[in-house]
Amino acid sequence: EPEVTQTPSHQVTQMGQEVILRCVPISNHLYFYWYRQILGQKVEFLVSFYNNEISEKSEIFDDQFSVERPDGSNFTLKIRSTKLEDSAMYFCASSMTGSNSPLHFGNGTRLTVT
Amino acid sequence: TQLLEQSPQFLSIQEGENLTVYCNSSSVFSSLQWYRQEPGEGPVLLVTVVTGGEVKKLKRLTFQFGDARKDSSLHITAAQPGDTGLYLCAGAGGNNRLAFGKGNQVVVIP
Repeated sequence: EPEVTQTPSHQVTQMGQEVILRCVPISNHLYFYWYRQILGQKVEFLVSFYNNEISEKSEIFDDQFSVERPDGSNFTLKIRSTKLEDSAMYFCASSMTGSNSPLHFGNGTRLTVT
Repeated sequence: TQLLEQSPQFLSIQEGENLTVYCNSSSVFSSLQWYRQEPGEGPVLLVTVVTGGEVKKLKRLTFQFGDARKDSSLHITAAQPGDTGLYLCAGAGGNNRLAFGKGNQVVVIP
């Protein structure tokens, strides 16, 4: 069964550094998402992406965050200058027709900012 | 902001017992999805409910969507240790985002 893959599985970075989290969504899906889950907290929506542009973003997704689909398969999340509070699991997801259709999640990247 | 409250947050039962967990909100959702999340992994979709009053069954799991499409329940019959996990409900409100609850952590003791 096709799946969403994320790399790396764990990323440790120093405060102020830039990180890029990578995702390969399911190939015939059209909608792509980033969610994050701080330890012990709920899964929170960051951003959705459709037709090569952001379709919606949350209050969390400020100017430090950006997303890109640099080619036909990868979907990336960049954090320009990481803060301690950015430490979390970051999940990429994709779906066929938007959030009313099933979301397929990757196994996440655990980001630790020191 | 659409808030989903899941209760109980933690539930521990013996193998073979039945359990019900709940997902409640003051908001109306166009659909509601239930996921299960294992430690270190992403959520995995179990079911989507769309119509008010809808009941869906997945083997020993029964999902119900409230008539007003604001709440949902998950009932597990004759729980097995393999049912242990974090059960997440997530509501779709017409925009392109899901709002998640904090989850129901279920532990089934052999």
